[in-house]
Amino acid sequence: GAVVSQHPSRVICKSGTSVKIECRSLDFQATTMFWYRQFPKQSLMLMATSNEGSKATYEQGVEKDKFLINHASLTLSTLTVTSAHPEDSSFYICSAKTGQGADGYTFGSGTRLTVV
Amino acid sequence: DAKTTQPPSMDCAEGRAANLPCNHSTISGNEYVYWYRQIHSQGPQYIIHGLKNNETNEMASLIITEDRKSSTLILPHATLRDTAVYYCIVRAQDSSYKLIFGSGTRLLVRP
Repeated sequence: GAVVSQHPSRVICKSGTSVKIECRSLDFQATTMFWYRQFPKQSLMLMATSNEGSKATYEQGVEKDKFLINHASLTLSTLTVTSAHPEDSSFYICSAKTGQGADGYTFGSGTRLTVV
Repeated sequence: DAKTTQPPSMDCAEGRAANLPCNHSTISGNEYVYWYRQIHSQGPQYIIHGLKNNETNEMASLIITEDRKSSTLILPHATLRDTAVYYCIVRAQDSSYKLIFGSGTRLLVRP
């Protein structure tokens, strides 16, 4: 089946630095990927929709200059958390739509970001 | 996007069927119902989806009412590994195909 690989699985960074998270579709081409954030004991919150070759579409309230999304190829989308602060510590998850019509969506295994 | 309502938590005994309800009274005619689950600190896992007819696969069955305003996910023989948060999602109508997660149901399977 369709597999999405997310890397790294966990990262610790210092406050003020930037962190890049990669999301790769391994056996299919993903023109559309999605980025979610999840705080402890809460549901997934959609941050943005990443479209190959065009600008990402951000959900209301998500700072596009802080969460930079690049989708330069059909198999890779990246999320860069810029100037990270402790409140950015969270579980970040990517997802890719696997096909047309009513096909499912495949999720990555998530990245645990801790900003110290 | 059509909203979904799920009970915050449920439990069932191992080996028994787990029936997880979901209300989606504002669903539109061309919107699908998706079910995903998330085991602690992992990405969500696809379970099943449907439009109008009942669906069954190796993981579960999905029963959708005739008016499509509610559905039930059935895990026929729950195991301890089925303990997870289960999300019922109605796919967005617009071309973005976004999946918007609600609060889900935390299912605890008891030994």
